[in-house]
Amino acid sequence: EAQVTQNPRYLITVTGKKLTVTCSQNMNHEYMSWYRQDPGLGLRQIYYSMNVEVTDKGDVPEGYKVSRKEKRNFPLILESPSPNQTSLYFCASSSQRGQPNSGNTIYFGEGSWLTVV
Amino acid sequence: AQSVAQPEDQVNVAEGNPLTVKCTYSVSGNPYLFWYVQYPNRGLQFLLKYITGDNLVKGSYGFEAEFNKSQTSFHLKKPSALVSDSALYFCAVRDNEVDTGNQFYFGTGTSLTVIP
Repeated sequence: EAQVTQNPRYLITVTGKKLTVTCSQNMNHEYMSWYRQDPGLGLRQIYYSMNVEVTDKGDVPEGYKVSRKEKRNFPLILESPSPNQTSLYFCASSSQRGQPNSGNTIYFGEGSWLTVV
Repeated sequence: AQSVAQPEDQVNVAEGNPLTVKCTYSVSGNPYLFWYVQYPNRGLQFLLKYITGDNLVKGSYGFEAEFNKSQTSFHLKKPSALVSDSALYFCAVRDNEVDTGNQFYFGTGTSLTVIP
């Protein structure tokens, strides 16, 4: 089954304690991305990756890091979490094949609820 | 820059009535437009997309959307709403420029409530 898998789904942590949210996709997609969802703000992109070893900042990258050492994995790292990073996080992936007229859809994980106290 | 606007935060409709969730977009070039639905505690699920061709696009669960180039709109519609359609709906546009990475841009979402 094609899917994007995130872990953990739910996490409560304390300010300053480093954490990593893992993301894995089994669709051989080149493109992966992290979003955070906050009430009234919709989805905001944190970082994205066009392919292995290629990452770029999205709209709200401050306080986050990512890496793309393998095609299937795209972990999100919070080096020193703060309460304003309490949010619902989504990982997503999409194929880049057939561009520029591919119109490929983007697939989302089930989300990770993160609370920083 | 590409952008998407969903002018209504909340839409309420009675069960059995037609529903419309509005979306307008701004893109340079030809738009790739999408609708996604998010049920509580779940990720976003793909509903339908417009790439080219017929302006009326049919998707999952009986939903359809009409692409209107002159009004730069891509409203989501369903002839007869179900209580189970209650969810958060996101409109999205995909950047079709290779240099900027085929990025997706999402609206802020519209919460649809279908009243029994």
